[in-house]
Amino acid sequence: EVQLVESGGGLVQPGGSLRLSCEGSGFTFGRYWMSWVRLLPGRGLEWMTNITPDGSEKFYVESVKGRFTTSRDNAGNRLYLQMNSLRAEDTAIYYCARYLVSQVYFDLWGRGSLVTVSS
Amino acid sequence: QTVVTQEPSLSVSPGGTVTLTCGLSSDSVSKINYPTWYQQTPGQAPRTLIYNTDSRSSGVPDRFSGSILGNKGALTITGAQADDEADYYCLLFFSTGPYWVFGGGTKLTVL
Repeated sequence: EVQLVESGGGLVQPGGSLRLSCEGSGFTFGRYWMSWVRLLPGRGLEWMTNITPDGSEKFYVESVKGRFTTSRDNAGNRLYLQMNSLRAEDTAIYYCARYLVSQVYFDLWGRGSLVTVSS
Repeated sequence: QTVVTQEPSLSVSPGGTVTLTCGLSSDSVSKINYPTWYQQTPGQAPRTLIYNTDSRSSGVPDRFSGSILGNKGALTITGAQADDEADYYCLLFFSTGPYWVFGGGTKLTVL
C-alpha cells in the first residue's frame, strides 16, 4: 500500500525542540520531492517546506526559516522535520506529503502528527 | 507577503451548484499558478480534488470541476451532496522562489 506515516509529535514547552519523522512505503521514496504542511487551528493549511529527491535543495516558508530544518534518508525511506525555538503559534497538525513536481501539487498525504507547544 | 483569498464560508442546498473562488490580494490567478483544490473533513488528511487548474484527481466525481473565472481560480460543485460538507482549500504555486501558498479555506455547508 502506498502511504506516508508521521511520528514524533507531542507536547513541548515554548522554546523547546522536537523532531518529526515520516516513513514512506509502497513507492520509490528517493525519486520524489517531499514536503511538510501543517494545519493551524482556526487558520487552515500552511505549506512549510519542500525538499528535492537528493536533498540538495530545500525551500521554506518565511515563518519557519532559521528555526525548522527538513532532511531525508532515502535509504530508510524517511523524511524529517527538526523544529527548534518552538512557539505557541506552531501548535498544529503536521502532515508530510509527496509532491509531484511535474504536475505541481501534493498528491499523497500522511494522517498527520499533532504538535502542541504549551507550558 | 502573498495572500491567497477564499470565501470563509458558503452554503448550498442539496442538489444545488456552488462556486468557490481562489484569488490574490494584489494580482490575478492564472494557469501558471497551477491552482489545486483540496477537500478536508475533521480528523482526515486533505484529499486532492483538482490539480493544474482543471484536472480531476483519480476517483473524484465529475460534479467537481476546476477553472479560471476572471482573475481567480474556481472550484464548482454541481449537484451538491451532503457529504460534500467540508473545508476546501486552494493551493497556488509561485515560481519566483519557488514557494507554495494555501488559501485560508472555505467552510462549505450543505443544507
